[in-house]
Amino acid sequence: SAVISQKPSRDICQRGTSLTIQCQVDSQVTMMFWYRQQPGQSLTLIATANQGSEATYESGFVIDKFPISRPNLTFSTLTVSNMSPEDSSIYLCSVSRQGPDDEQYFGPGTRLTVT
Amino acid sequence: DAKTTQPTSMDCAEGRAANLPCNHSTISGNEYVYWYRQIHSQGPQYIIHGLKNNETNEMASLIITEDRKSSTLILPHATLRDTAVYYCIVPLGNTGGFKTIFGAGTRLFVKA
Repeated sequence: SAVISQKPSRDICQRGTSLTIQCQVDSQVTMMFWYRQQPGQSLTLIATANQGSEATYESGFVIDKFPISRPNLTFSTLTVSNMSPEDSSIYLCSVSRQGPDDEQYFGPGTRLTVT
Repeated sequence: DAKTTQPTSMDCAEGRAANLPCNHSTISGNEYVYWYRQIHSQGPQYIIHGLKNNETNEMASLIITEDRKSSTLILPHATLRDTAVYYCIVPLGNTGGFKTIFGAGTRLFVKA
């Protein structure tokens, strides 16, 4: 298993500002992912954070809005840029190893409210 | 890409077995079936996964049909704390690995 921590746990931000969310894992992992969960909805995959290269974004998500860094095998950041109230969501970090037989582990989430 | 279908919601009496079905009729031979759950206000939690054989761990049992087109997650003695949304997922191939795409899941209500 893997223990994942996220910072901050919650924040209230003003429209037009940016917030960077940190994800720290207690062991080296191959795959790291960022998800968004809007109120009352299921989780939506934003992107796969690739170590040493640009993240791979899912349809509907772009790097300018959600820049991601992954400097090593235990750490990643997601920035929510130029925020609007529609960005109010829970943002979750997730990790797994590489194989089809490897489960994913999820962080506790960052609850973001944009006013 | 294999997709799954699950009932929207289910009820279960406390202490009884909860049987959550999942259809994955387009699954291919080397794709695994995973189950996760999300308790309110928490991150999703891994429960169990399997390929062909039935699996059991300390949380649940997973029964996969012989043709692999469907499966059932069994919580043998449901408690109130098992009230959650349960997701049946077949991970998709991704650059360098696999990714998990969530559907709507099954909302399980365990009642006293």
